[in-house]
Amino acid sequence: NAGVMQNPRHLVRRRGQEARLRCSPMKGHSHVYWYRQLPEEGLKFMVYLQKENIIDESGMPKERFSAEFPKEGPSILRIQQVVRGDSAAYFCASSKGPGDGNTIYFGEGSWLTVV
Amino acid sequence: DAKTTQPTSMDCAEGRAANLPCNHSTISGNEYVYWYRQIHSQGPQYIIHGLKNNETNEMASLIITEDRKSSTLILPHATLRDTAVYYCIVRSPHTGTASKLTFGTGTRLQVTL
Repeated sequence: NAGVMQNPRHLVRRRGQEARLRCSPMKGHSHVYWYRQLPEEGLKFMVYLQKENIIDESGMPKERFSAEFPKEGPSILRIQQVVRGDSAAYFCASSKGPGDGNTIYFGEGSWLTVV
Repeated sequence: DAKTTQPTSMDCAEGRAANLPCNHSTISGNEYVYWYRQIHSQGPQYIIHGLKNNETNEMASLIITEDRKSSTLILPHATLRDTAVYYCIVRSPHTGTASKLTFGTGTRLQVTL
């Protein structure tokens, strides 16, 4: 059973470009979470989505960042007009459902470098 | 979610048991204790979770005190590959915005020869 798949694993963007990070949850999972880890810092929650719905975006920066999880296809984290401070590892995670009893599993991450 | 307190770092000799403590004195009765670890440059890895009873799986054992105010993750025979940051997380049983995991600073475990 394949785990959470993220791509690209590494992405380099120039300042002002757009970055799109994709996440395919584990089979049977319909809940997706995105986290960001800045260099030498901890994991920070960004957004929690269910198919076609954003459940919690309390950790998402108000500007330039957006996320979606369509009915078909992977979840996408989109960063517009990237700046150097966006350079980080972005981790996606998934679960079958919400709350306890539904363990959250993480992917291997997408490393964004802004030059 | 209840706050957790973990030591910043610990060392363990290879082959010995690694015992990682976690305090969660404000945990409520229906909140679970989860453990994850993050090996350098990799995604967080689920280890184990529990509510009241002790739990064991192929990776580790979780011992939760009777009053649930603290727990210990035990890696029975630590290897160099167990060197990682270990996170103890108390997770709300509720759905919606409470469903996410909130990571603290964890314990950096260094396994040495």
